[in-house]
Amino acid sequence: AQSVAQPEDQVNVAEGNPLTVKCTYSVSGNPYLFWYVQYPNRGLQFLLKYITGDNLVKGSYGFEAEFNKSQTSFHLKKPSALVSDSALYFCAVRPLPSGAGSYQLTFGKGTKLSVIP
Amino acid sequence: EPEVTQTPSHQVTQMGQEVILRCVPISNHLYFYWYRQILGQKVEFLVSFYNNEISEKSEIFDDQFSVERPDGSNFTLKIRSTKLEDSAMYFCASTLLQGTDTQYFGPGTRLTVL
Repeated sequence: AQSVAQPEDQVNVAEGNPLTVKCTYSVSGNPYLFWYVQYPNRGLQFLLKYITGDNLVKGSYGFEAEFNKSQTSFHLKKPSALVSDSALYFCAVRPLPSGAGSYQLTFGKGTKLSVIP
Repeated sequence: EPEVTQTPSHQVTQMGQEVILRCVPISNHLYFYWYRQILGQKVEFLVSFYNNEISEKSEIFDDQFSVERPDGSNFTLKIRSTKLEDSAMYFCASTLLQGTDTQYFGPGTRLTVL
């Protein structure tokens, strides 16, 4: 069974500072990893994904994530946080598709990011 | 930019009543999903749907739940006899293909069962 852990319920960072939101995963086979963001009263918005290739993936709004296979991690990063980045961030995983495999996403519990002006 | 839409945004119902949650997936997408999030817990997969059939479902998706694509645009989740523990945010998602496609989510329907 696949699983995702987001060890921090909340991350606080000052505006302009770098931010990191942590995610570790467990999956059979090669992982297919995602980050989604949820703003108040909005749905889950796709930020970025890792399939294969370069371990550093760039996504929307200046976010990037680093895939580390040995540590089974996929941490979300941004060099300079904005107040508007304050939201709930979800990491998700599923196995790379193969034949009749599962396509369901398994999510972490979410991390609330607060960027302080 | 095309979006997944869901109605209503908030549904309040009495225990034992039937509810239907509605979703309009992105227009050219072929695969549809329902997830739910109980307050303070993880987003959980319920069911996936393709070509008018359920392709995958979780253990949460028991006989009280059903899904339907009644026309070319809507995708619905029905709960026949709601229980208190069905109170949650329900998210619809869609993809054009499966494979490595990204699932795009709607804004959710908050279901409150009293």
